[in-house]
Amino acid sequence: ETGVTQTPRHLVMGMTNKKSLKCEQHLGHNAMYWYKQSAKKPLELMFVYNFKEQTENNSVPSRFSPECPNSSHLFLHLHTLQPEDSALYLCASSQVTGQRMNQPQHFGDGTRLSIL
Amino acid sequence: AQKITQTQPGMFVQEKEAVTLDCTYDTSDQSYGLFWYKQPSSGEMIFLIYQGSYDEQNATEGRYSLNFQKARKSANLVISASQLGDSAMYFCAMREMDTGRRALTFGSGTRLQVQP
Repeated sequence: ETGVTQTPRHLVMGMTNKKSLKCEQHLGHNAMYWYKQSAKKPLELMFVYNFKEQTENNSVPSRFSPECPNSSHLFLHLHTLQPEDSALYLCASSQVTGQRMNQPQHFGDGTRLSIL
Repeated sequence: AQKITQTQPGMFVQEKEAVTLDCTYDTSDQSYGLFWYKQPSSGEMIFLIYQGSYDEQNATEGRYSLNFQKARKSANLVISASQLGDSAMYFCAMREMDTGRRALTFGSGTRLQVQP
């Protein structure tokens, strides 16, 4: 139990579908992140939210739309995805405190997404 | 240029032996932190150990230790007395603090297989 819960664990969708990934953290952290993990590639940062405000968008296509209603919840809304978007999507959270460098990110178990 | 380089796509080690997983990094920041994560086949990312750029001692955490060579910009993970449960992907990551960026940059990972 990492304190970060992602649902669903697996998702299969067609290219015309609309779905959402959900992430919830129970650690009292103030920053949340979405990462994409494709086969044989490093984890790619997608979005960063700090105190519910988006602070980073790593040139992510608009077919991915994040939403952070509060510091504990993060969503990734998906629409008209492409086959290359099939990947493991990982959510993480951390406590951002001044200049402290040593706060690790805590990850959820991920959502394995397959686009047909 | 790659920020984090892990040159070993795969490693084998005999049970109970020690193994070193390599990580080199590239940054012009003076303040940065280095992290190692373990990812079993189930997908979750598990934080293992942290080393700060100003830390004079090598970090240790149980069977994990970090061989930090700042001048060489390397932060190798040493796992002592390998166990079968250590078989997983291992990722090196860095947080660069001078720019205030909170997110981690990950390497491509090393797959470790522990053999009985």
